Amino acid sequence: DAGVTQSPTHLIKTRGQHVTLRCSPISGHKSVSWYQQVLGQGPQFIFQYYEKEERGRGNFPDRFSARQFPNYSSELNVNALLLGDSALYLCASSLFGLTYEQYFGPGTRLTVT
Amino acid sequence: SQQGEEDPQALSIQEGENATMNCSYKTSINNLQWYRQNSGRGLVHLILIRSNEREKHSGRLRVTLDTSKKSSSLLITASRAADTASYFCATDAGNEKLTFGTGTRLTIIP
Repeated sequence: DAGVTQSPTHLIKTRGQHVTLRCSPISGHKSVSWYQQVLGQGPQFIFQYYEKEERGRGNFPDRFSARQFPNYSSELNVNALLLGDSALYLCASSLFGLTYEQYFGPGTRLTVT
Repeated sequence: SQQGEEDPQALSIQEGENATMNCSYKTSINNLQWYRQNSGRGLVHLILIRSNEREKHSGRLRVTLDTSKKSSSLLITASRAADTASYFCATDAGNEKLTFGTGTRLTIIP
């Protein structure tokens, strides 16, 4: 079975621009969560979606938003990019949410210049 | 904010030795999970231990959980070069968030 996939792999954007990152979960997984990982630190939780509804939100500004589609894939949107948004963005899927093991995708490396 | 902190931040051992890393957290949890990350890419799930469990094993991995001390440890026995990676603990506190620690960078010396 295919694992979690994310696109694009790498992305370079300019300050003030908008970016959309995409994630496809493992087949049968209904929960998708997003994380931001700055170099040298642990992943920071951004959002969790389950059955297309937002279940959890981390301490990120409103410039960050996400949604989950009927096929359980997900998008993470970031508006008005700042230099500090440069990071590895990770998506994870699981069967029923955060009380089960998370399966991570390879991540999208975002660089804001 | 980071809920957990791993200790040590970095660890170097000879191949074949055992590696132990610790995780401390701040609030009550439903479960604690350990992940491995190679070269800044996606994380791989290792073990999930629930709050009513004290010890779990998976192959060469042994995880303990002490909820009274709010701490967990990950033991890797008979280390191999392929175990070189960063290791993170993550806690589910029942607040619909998964909170990761700061990580331990493990280097296995051949």
